[in-house]
Amino acid sequence: DQQVKQNSPSLSVQEGRISILNCDYTNSMFDYFLWYKKYPAEGPTFLISISSIKDKNEDGRFTVFLNKSAKHLSLHIVPSQPGDSAVYFCAASKIQGAQKLVFGQGTRLTINP
Amino acid sequence: KAGVTQTPRYLIKTRGQQVTLSCSPISGHRSVSWYQQTPGQGLQFLFEYFSETQRNKGNFPGRFSGRQFSNSRSEMNVSTLELGDSALYLCASSPSVNNEQFFGPGTRLTVL
Repeated sequence: DQQVKQNSPSLSVQEGRISILNCDYTNSMFDYFLWYKKYPAEGPTFLISISSIKDKNEDGRFTVFLNKSAKHLSLHIVPSQPGDSAVYFCAASKIQGAQKLVFGQGTRLTINP
Repeated sequence: KAGVTQTPRYLIKTRGQQVTLSCSPISGHRSVSWYQQTPGQGLQFLFEYFSETQRNKGNFPGRFSGRQFSNSRSEMNVSTLELGDSALYLCASSPSVNNEQFFGPGTRLTVL
């Protein structure tokens, strides 16, 4: 039972354009969502998070949008840079800071020069 | 501050053996969580330890166990290894509840 889904295994975007990564979840008990970035041979690195009481959170080039009614969230990266090429994981938990994170399968983002 | 460290980085075992993986959290972090990453299942939560007590547990068989020491270092053990246990095992630490998790580089376990 995949409670957090990232339906696009890969995404290719031109440098300078916007990258949009999507994530859907099925468990309505989730109320805290995170995005992690992972380079090969390294552990995931925390990027940005959002609580269910908000619908948007922004940090520099990264913005996360949450649509609770659709159980959907997205990560926007503007402008995309070559160093953004990595695998991006969406994760969810039932309370903020809860250590039991449920991850999506990941989306491999490639930024083309 | 040094990041989360995991040892060993790579390990090869055969079916039926057991294995112990080690994780040293960031200094001052008291919570340590373990995850298994496989191509088919993605990242799955194994368990979490806080102050030497298991606080959360995922849906893994009893062959997977862990412990945490008084200095917050943690070990996980897998007994009677199966081919399907081949995976990247990731450890993450955080200061306490309400904080994001910081991941180590992982231990790549291959079971032959």
